[in-house]
Amino acid sequence: DGGITQSPKYLFRKEGQNVTLSCEQNLNHDAMYWYRQDPGQGLRLIYYSQIVNDFQKGDIAEGYSVSREKKESFPLTVTSAQKNPTAFYLCASSGQINQPQHFGDGTRLSIL
Amino acid sequence: GIQVEQSPPDLILQEGANSTLRCNFSDSVNNLQWFHQNPWGQLINLFYIPSGTKQNGRLSATTVATERYSLLYISSSQTTDSGVYFCAVETGGFKTIFGAGTRLFVKA
Repeated sequence: DGGITQSPKYLFRKEGQNVTLSCEQNLNHDAMYWYRQDPGQGLRLIYYSQIVNDFQKGDIAEGYSVSREKKESFPLTVTSAQKNPTAFYLCASSGQINQPQHFGDGTRLSIL
Repeated sequence: GIQVEQSPPDLILQEGANSTLRCNFSDSVNNLQWFHQNPWGQLINLFYIPSGTKQNGRLSATTVATERYSLLYISSSQTTDSGVYFCAVETGGFKTIFGAGTRLFVKA
């Protein structure tokens, strides 16, 4: 089945540690996105990528990094510079501009 | 930057009732989407509607781009409609801005 797979579903990070969240899609979509959602809040854009080897900062990129080496993959690294990383992280993709976004099931990140 | 405001913030309905959710945005946008987030956090795209009216079963949406608002109608609500409804607008390129959402609870 076509879709977006995020892993792991739950992730725990120690202070000062970098962690990487996986996002894979088999929809042949060009565009991919990472969002952060805090409890009771809307989604905020961290990074987005229109095509392979290109990505742009969203509204809250500080403390995060991404790569887009393959069309189907858009991993997000939460670095130790992100002081409040506990949140629900959602990955999405869309075919091209002016097409709907489809979401993965998310990763819940917590700090130990 | 562009502001996206949704109303009401919270809504409680009796099963079978109808409701209207509103999304206002402060500047011109390239397109607008409505999403439903279920209690497990999954986001489902309901409508992609930069302008005009669309219908899908008991749900319909209307966007009036010239007046910078969109409406989501839910008719004959069911308990499975509970969750959070988000409006999201797309500005230049692929940048997407979400509203804070409307939290809906449908009582049996």
